[in-house]
Amino acid sequence: QKEVEQDPGPLSVPEGAIVSLNCTYSNSAFQYFMWYRQYSRKGPELLMYTYSSGNKEDGRFTAQVDKSSKYISLFIRDSQPSDSATYLCAMSLTGNQFYFGTGTSLTVIP
Amino acid sequence: GAVVSQHPSRVICKSGTSVKIECRSLDFQATTMFWYRQFPKQSLMLMATSNEGSKATYEQGVEKDKFLINHASLTLSTLTVTSAHPEDSSFYICSARDYRGNQPQHFGDGTRLSIL
Repeated sequence: QKEVEQDPGPLSVPEGAIVSLNCTYSNSAFQYFMWYRQYSRKGPELLMYTYSSGNKEDGRFTAQVDKSSKYISLFIRDSQPSDSATYLCAMSLTGNQFYFGTGTSLTVIP
Repeated sequence: GAVVSQHPSRVICKSGTSVKIECRSLDFQATTMFWYRQFPKQSLMLMATSNEGSKATYEQGVEKDKFLINHASLTLSTLTVTSAHPEDSSFYICSARDYRGNQPQHFGDGTRLSIL
């Protein structure tokens, strides 16, 4: 079983839609949770960084961590064509070793 | 925000050439840097973890003599692909962590390596 599971998509939504991206994980000891956005031919860009459980909001982006279900989510409100990218989840126990999902490809259609 | 600079962004060279890629943390000190390889439409594959002042830790299946890593300062790590061959063509991405604890990784913009 992989440490982190992420549906690769692709996911297509109309502009303005709410997007929900998810990852599940197997190691209940993970404490640090991250979401990265990667545009084609670019390195991943950190979007959200959370420690332990709970929600974190930054503009149109909301990250949720449910440790009891070993499930994390990223919500994008009022999605824009510029949000079209691959979204990677990542997590870590101690901050020294990171486990990445395979990425979900998102296309927001104008 | 934390910035990681990776250079060069694109390299095209002949088979047998050695290629050096630099990764710099511009506004923070990084005791740990990571080197990844990414194939088209696939996720990141960790190649090695680079620790300042000590030998890099390589992942299983990654040839140490092929991919030389040097992390001589808190802001610079280099990856040298020695005697590169066409099968080494890929997208190489570095990342760095702030030396202060509990920080996420910040990525460079990657280097697209093409070996002819």
